[in-house]
Amino acid sequence: QVQLVQSGSELKKPGASVKVSCKASGYRFTTMSVTWVRQAPGQGLEWLGWINTATGGPTYAQGFTGRFVFSLDTSVSTAYLQISSLEADDTAVYYCAREVLRLDYWGQGTLVTVSS
Amino acid sequence: QSALTQPASVSGSPGQSITISCTGTSGDVGHYNYVSWYQQLPGKAPKVMIYEVSNRPSGVSYRFSGSKSGNTASLTISGLQSEDEGNYYCSSYTTSDNVLFGGGTRLTVL
Repeated sequence: QVQLVQSGSELKKPGASVKVSCKASGYRFTTMSVTWVRQAPGQGLEWLGWINTATGGPTYAQGFTGRFVFSLDTSVSTAYLQISSLEADDTAVYYCAREVLRLDYWGQGTLVTVSS
Repeated sequence: QSALTQPASVSGSPGQSITISCTGTSGDVGHYNYVSWYQQLPGKAPKVMIYEVSNRPSGVSYRFSGSKSGNTASLTISGLQSEDEGNYYCSSYTTSDNVLFGGGTRLTVL
């Protein structure tokens, strides 16, 4: 069965970096893109962008270029989200999901807390 | 780009029908038939309930249906059940090659 399993919670200080992983199984990884979404505490969903797993080409949402970087390791069917220069406002649950226009499978979410 | 506009909350009694609206622009909802609806239960990841305006994934109850008119998409839940209580989000592909989410609607089953 299709599964997306994300890495565990992270506690980081402002200015630090974090890398969240999303390991896919149950399907051919390079046939479907991976989308990243975040949800701040008590808030709605925010689309961060997606990465084409066949080409490695990323598409970032407006306002999420520069500090946010999507990457892949297709040898282990894993997508990564790296965030640099973390700010308090980056505190959120970060989700990966399969596909772009229909997010049919989601990871369990990774809580990233940014606090001094 | 601004989020798609959804009502903050809707409510209904068991057995009733409710509709949640999702208003965008001619650059997103009005341009493409790529509107999806997601249900998020407390503490859980979202789950797709409707995709491409009106298509229901395998395993999703027939009580959930979607439609679109102009720049506004709608999700209708018929025969409301207590298990439907949660947050609902719409999303749409845009002409900027991005995806926008709605602000979310909290559904309360009275």
